[in-house]
Amino acid sequence: QVQLVESGGGVVQPGRSLRLSCAASRFTFSSYALHWVRQAPGKGLEWVAVISYDGSNKYYADSVKGRFTISRDNSKNTLYLQMNSLRTEDTALYYCAKDAYTYGRGTVSWGQGTLVTVSS
Amino acid sequence: QSALTQPASVSGSPGQSITISCTGTSSDVGGYSYVSWYQQHPGKAPKLMISDVSNRPSGVSNRFSGSKSGNTASLTISGLQAEDEADYYCSSYTSSSTLVFGGGTKLTVL
Repeated sequence: QVQLVESGGGVVQPGRSLRLSCAASRFTFSSYALHWVRQAPGKGLEWVAVISYDGSNKYYADSVKGRFTISRDNSKNTLYLQMNSLRTEDTALYYCAKDAYTYGRGTVSWGQGTLVTVSS
Repeated sequence: QSALTQPASVSGSPGQSITISCTGTSSDVGGYSYVSWYQQHPGKAPKLMISDVSNRPSGVSNRFSGSKSGNTASLTISGLQAEDEADYYCSSYTSSSTLVFGGGTKLTVL
């Protein structure tokens, strides 16, 4: 069964940076696209970013474009999300999710999430 | 990147059937067969219930089914059970190579 474990969340001040990680196991990591999806407290799901199986293609939601960077290390089976210039509206539970395809088409498995709180 | 449109809430009695709609545009729901549905119980991560419009993953009850007509996708749950009470979200691949989610629907089993 696919396992995805997020880490790196915490409390950070507006304007600062944070890097999230997602350790993956029990599937061929280098064969699938991966996503970050977030959920603000009491709100719905918001897609954040996707990276293709080999890291060659990356796409972002308009709300994070230019501030967040998705990356992956296929040798370490790990997905990352570098978050810069954080805003209070970035406060959310951040999930990493595995796609069914090599390029992003739809998520099939999710981690349990890591909480990011942006507050002064 | 506007969110897909879902009803805020639906309800039904045990044993009944309900349908949740998910309306987008020709640039997302209407243009691709990459619509997914997720179930989320409070405090839990979302769980995939339907992928690629109508495919049911292994382990998901056959009471759950998906379909699409034009720019609107639908999730139908038949034989409602108390355990089905949860939030449901749709998502779609888009022409910008991104994903977009619906606003979510709270299902109440009366």
